[in-house]
Amino acid sequence: SQTIHQWPATLVQPVGSPLSLECTVEGTSNPNLYWYRQAAGRGLQLLFYSVGIGQISSEVPQNLSASRPQDRQFILSSKKLLLSDSGFYLCAWSEGLGTGEEKLFFGSGTQLSVL
Amino acid sequence: AQSVTQLDSQVPVFEEAPVELRCNYSSSVSVYLFWYVQYPNQGLQLLLKYLSGSTLVKGINGFEAEFNKSQTSFHLRKPSVHISDTAEYFCAVSKTGGFKTIFGAGTRLFVKA
Repeated sequence: SQTIHQWPATLVQPVGSPLSLECTVEGTSNPNLYWYRQAAGRGLQLLFYSVGIGQISSEVPQNLSASRPQDRQFILSSKKLLLSDSGFYLCAWSEGLGTGEEKLFFGSGTQLSVL
Repeated sequence: AQSVTQLDSQVPVFEEAPVELRCNYSSSVSVYLFWYVQYPNQGLQLLLKYLSGSTLVKGINGFEAEFNKSQTSFHLRKPSVHISDTAEYFCAVSKTGGFKTIFGAGTRLFVKA
């Protein structure tokens, strides 16, 4: 069966520090991978998605970047965190060729607090 | 572009009462519609989805939703809620032939004893 791992669960970082959040998927190959951010009252905002190694689509211009160095690994990074980067970050994956029908499977999330 | 509006940010309801969580979408192309649930401090899981066919879709945990194309709505309903249904519910849309799923702001359902 497929599983998705996301870590850390909680992170407190000072403003201006770097960030690296990692997500890995097991039990499937060539998944579509996603990073979402959840802010209070704003629902889930799609940040990045990837349909293959090295292929990253950015949805919102911001202080963050994403990379996919391996088929089932998706990393969210920042060189210098801002206060506005605080939020709950969710990694997700799906199978399929982008028909739109695909179900998303979510990780358990990372609560990031930038102080 | 697609967008989703969830009309209620919070819905309090007593146990065993019926509930409806409202969702409207906007899109110039054909879409698929989803409802996801998020329990505290967890990721989201799929409740149900509408792809085509019957406009009444049944999902897990006794939830159902009805697709109304003329009103561009996809409201979620449950005839009798339980305490364990307390969670945040997200309506989502994806266009046919695309990788992106766009979510609404969420509705927090509180079930009171």
